[in-house]
Amino acid sequence: EPEVTQTPSHQVTQMGQEVILRCVPISNHLYFYWYRQILGQKVEFLVSFYNNEISEKSEIFDDQFSVERPDGSNFTLKIRSTKLEDSAMYFCASSENLSWEGDTEAFFGQGTRLTVV
Amino acid sequence: DAKTTQPPSMDCAEGRAANLPCNHSTISGNEYVYWYRQIHSQGPQYIIHGLKNNETNEMASLIITEDRKSSTLILPHATLRDTAVYYCIVRYSGNTPLVFGKGTRLSVIA
Repeated sequence: EPEVTQTPSHQVTQMGQEVILRCVPISNHLYFYWYRQILGQKVEFLVSFYNNEISEKSEIFDDQFSVERPDGSNFTLKIRSTKLEDSAMYFCASSENLSWEGDTEAFFGQGTRLTVV
Repeated sequence: DAKTTQPPSMDCAEGRAANLPCNHSTISGNEYVYWYRQIHSQGPQYIIHGLKNNETNEMASLIITEDRKSSTLILPHATLRDTAVYYCIVRYSGNTPLVFGKGTRLSVIA
């Protein structure tokens, strides 16, 4: 069964450093998402990405965050200058593109645990 | 914010059916009901979704009331591996972001 793959599974970084989290979405999917979950809290939407541009973003997704699809398979989340409060699980998800409004499920990766020290 | 209301926790005996309720009284006509679950801190796992009709797949059944203001996820024979947080999510169209609430923590007990 196809799956969303995320690397690394765990990353430790020093405050102020830049990190890049990587995701390989399911191959025929064209909509991509990043979510985060701070320990003990809800899963929160960060950003969605389609056709090489951001289609929606939340208030959390400020100027320190950026996303990119550098090649045909990877989808990355960059955090420019990490803060202690960026420590969380980061989940990537993907879904099929629909040319009409309809139902389709999003599939999630297993996440990257980011620890900022 | 999530447009759904779920009980914070439920217990279920192993082998019995687990019935997880969800209220979505403000749902609009073209919004779907999705169910996901999260085991420990793993990525959310898709379970099932529906619009108006009841749905069944290999994992679960989804019962949506006629007025669409509530729904029930049924796991027909719960196992210990079904212990997880279950999220009921109302979603407008296929590619809009999922908005997670706090979900229901289901504990399956041997």
